[in-house]
Amino acid sequence: EPEVTQTPSHQVTQMGQEVILRCVPISNHLYFYWYRQILGQKVEFLVSFYNNEISEKSEIFDDQFSVERPDGSNFTLKIRSTKLEDSAMYFCASSEEITSTDTQYFGPGTRLTVL
Amino acid sequence: AQSVTQLDSHVSVSEGTPVLLRCNYSSSYSPSLFWYVQHPNKGLQLLLKYTSAATLVKGINGFEAEFKKSETSFHLTKPSAHMSDAAEYFCVVSASAITGRRALTFGSGTRLQVQP
Repeated sequence: EPEVTQTPSHQVTQMGQEVILRCVPISNHLYFYWYRQILGQKVEFLVSFYNNEISEKSEIFDDQFSVERPDGSNFTLKIRSTKLEDSAMYFCASSEEITSTDTQYFGPGTRLTVL
Repeated sequence: AQSVTQLDSHVSVSEGTPVLLRCNYSSSYSPSLFWYVQHPNKGLQLLLKYTSAATLVKGINGFEAEFKKSETSFHLTKPSAHMSDAAEYFCVVSASAITGRRALTFGSGTRLQVQP
């Protein structure tokens, strides 16, 4: 069964450093998403991406964040200058385009620790 | 605006007994509702979804949920718990069928323990 994969599973970085989290969505999917879960808090939507541009973003997704589909398979989330409060589990998801209620398939997550 | 409240952060049941995980939602629109499950070190897996068809929704692994508009609830049930059901369960709401916006809103999760 096709899966969304994410690398690395755990990333440790120093405050102020740039990080790139990587995701490989399911191959025939056209919508891509990032969510995050700060420890002890709810899973929160960050951004959705379709046709090489952002289609929705939350207020969390400020200028520190960017997303890219650099090639035909990868989808990345970049945090330009990490802050302590960026420590969280980051989930990538993908869905087909057919309807807006299409199931979002999630990856296992990348745990980001900012020191 | 939409929100989800999962009424129990932890539920413990014995193997072979029924499971009930409670969820209430709030939405300005007719919502789509989902239950996702997360096993340790795994991604969030869809158990079932409601998108305005039948109010009783059957999912994978014997789980089902009933949409009750009058109670704004979408509780998850299973007649007989199995050890492999031990995991974190998330109730999720979306207004995408009306608004086209695809962002999912998650509840805080319920950790299900299954005792032998």
